[in-house]
Amino acid sequence: GIQVEQSPPDLILQEGANSTLRCNFSDSVNNLQWFHQNPWGQLINLFYIPSGTKQNGRLSATTVATERYSLLYISSSQTTDSGVYFCAGRDGGTSYGKLTFGQGTILTVHP
Amino acid sequence: GAGVSQTPSNKVTEKGKYVELRCDPISGHTALYWYRQSLGQGPEFLIYFQGTGAADDSGLPNDRFFAVRPEGSVSTLKIQRTERGDSAVYLCASSSNGGVGQPQHFGDGTRLSIL
Repeated sequence: GIQVEQSPPDLILQEGANSTLRCNFSDSVNNLQWFHQNPWGQLINLFYIPSGTKQNGRLSATTVATERYSLLYISSSQTTDSGVYFCAGRDGGTSYGKLTFGQGTILTVHP
Repeated sequence: GAGVSQTPSNKVTEKGKYVELRCDPISGHTALYWYRQSLGQGPEFLIYFQGTGAADDSGLPNDRFFAVRPEGSVSTLKIQRTERGDSAVYLCASSSNGGVGQPQHFGDGTRLSIL
């Protein structure tokens, strides 16, 4: 199966700062998704982004499938952005949507 | 319902007991997945249903774990003779079209604690 690596593992920011989270894949992937797991454990869909760039408010994501990576940008961070960010992808060799997750990036935003 | 619903939200039981965890997917979603998330880790795949059948159960850790989806909607994950190592958050997700070209939507999970 595919391997998913996320960096950095931990990130501490002051409110208002910008950040970039990275996700690397060992092989071709499809169905790439970014999630935010809040302090209550809820896994929130941020982006479904197999390729290209999407934006949603202060967040945007870019996936370059041919180079096997994806980036999540957070601008003007807020304390409510704190939590764990996961990327996950489907092995391009499978015919269904089983996702493999990275280990996550723990983001802490201080006021 | 509007989203994936999982019950109970928390379950505490003693080692050796039997537990059932329920997942109610988004209406109309044919694909249903179970994942397990241990502390400090990302979710890990357990089993995938397309309709009523388990199309891939390769993630189930051993034969104490079993899951069903008899009518192609609600699914139940069953764990026999629970062990302390089974403690984790169990997440359910659903998607349309087998998840190909479609995002997965996750429930809030069941936090299972084995004493």
